[in-house]
Amino acid sequence: GENVEQHPSTLSVQEGDSAVIKCTYSDSASNYFPWYKQELGKRPQLIIDIRSNVGEKKDQRIAVTLNKTAKHFSLHITETQPEDSAVYFCAASSRYGGATNKLIFGTGTLLAVQP
Amino acid sequence: DTGVSQNPRHKITKRGQNVTFRCDPISEHNRLYWYRQTLGQGPEFLTYFQNEAQLEKSRLLSDRFSAERPKGSFSTLEIQRTEQGDSAMYLCASSGRDSLSYNSPLHFGNGTRLTVT
Repeated sequence: GENVEQHPSTLSVQEGDSAVIKCTYSDSASNYFPWYKQELGKRPQLIIDIRSNVGEKKDQRIAVTLNKTAKHFSLHITETQPEDSAVYFCAASSRYGGATNKLIFGTGTLLAVQP
Repeated sequence: DTGVSQNPRHKITKRGQNVTFRCDPISEHNRLYWYRQTLGQGPEFLTYFQNEAQLEKSRLLSDRFSAERPKGSFSTLEIQRTEQGDSAMYLCASSGRDSLSYNSPLHFGNGTRLTVT
């Protein structure tokens, strides 16, 4: 069935270092890959997304890369700051008939940025 | 705030009782999703509506769970005969229409935290 695996489950970095979170997906029909940030007790918030016709996308300190052949996608955060500390979830969309966007989520990565 | 609104924020109930949650999506969004999230896990898909039509239900959704979106606006999720294993955060999300067959982002509400004692 549909599955998204995410690694690592926890990641601790020093402020200013880079952080990389990796995901793999099983459904070759997936065509949309968002990343969500969830702070403790709050809603998941979209931080960046990428579509299958693009290999890389960047937004300030955040970038996402996609390798459709290998079914891998990754989140890169540069110059990390303490406020980047949160749980990050990757997700992949799975089509159902003519509708889209049923997201399958990874298990999350707890990122801790040490000042 | 014109985001996705969920009520109540917290619900404590005794095992065997019925509970109902409400979700008000972003007004121009025609798609509405229910997810469940337990501690340390990612959101788990439960069901999906396009306008008033329920187009997909997860195989994980037992017959004690029912969702409605009668007028294509707000939605309710009811759990009958609650069990302790139902304790979780129930998240609602909405998204707009696709354009050029591209997916549109999901916007989540703050969720309803259910505790079954």
